[in-house]
Amino acid sequence: AQKITQTQPGMFVQEKEAVTLDCTYDTSDQSYGLFWYKQPSSGEMIFLIYQGSYDEQNATEGRYSLNFQKARKSANLVISASQLGDSAMYFCAMREGPPRFYFGTGTSLTVIP
Amino acid sequence: NAGVTQTPKFQVLKTGQSMTLQCAQDMNHEYMSWYRQDPGMGLRLIHYSVGAGITDQGEVPNGYNVSRSTTEDFPLRLLSAAPSQTSVYFCASSPRTRARGEQFFGPGTRLTVL
Repeated sequence: AQKITQTQPGMFVQEKEAVTLDCTYDTSDQSYGLFWYKQPSSGEMIFLIYQGSYDEQNATEGRYSLNFQKARKSANLVISASQLGDSAMYFCAMREGPPRFYFGTGTSLTVIP
Repeated sequence: NAGVTQTPKFQVLKTGQSMTLQCAQDMNHEYMSWYRQDPGMGLRLIHYSVGAGITDQGEVPNGYNVSRSTTEDFPLRLLSAAPSQTSVYFCASSPRTRARGEQFFGPGTRLTVL
């Protein structure tokens, strides 16, 4: 079974609108971490946001927030007020029993002016 | 701090050749990992290390060797390159922690095997 599932290969969003990128995960561990990374066309991997499995509040980092629904095993990334520079690949990842990280297949986001 | 560095940035090999991809980090991180990224498949773990002298296999280890003699360095060796190993390779490091502990990535090595 896939550890991380991202079901949206590509997404489009109008500039200044909000967008949600979906991520579901599979683990039987009680302690795990969830991460989102951005990969622009230049290729580098940029860390965006982290959510610990014991964190009760949803994580937020500027325009990024993580909608964590533990019972449903989902960790969706919400980007508010999209900008042209948000166009990139976005990867959801899980850290299970450090240090193994599992990555999803990614979602390509295009922001339309 | 340089963070995570990888060399070379680009490499072209012929089938059957061997080579080593270099990775170094200056953040004193215990954990280091190698991934390959192929279109539509995300990042797949090749090998990882939890400290000097300790390595383990990831999801796609065949055809690759690693060793970790120091905390800083984690080279990846291709024993006999095959076209199926054409990919972008990322090295990453992270601290030993149960808190955030995100991985820091190198810039990647784009490898083509002819």
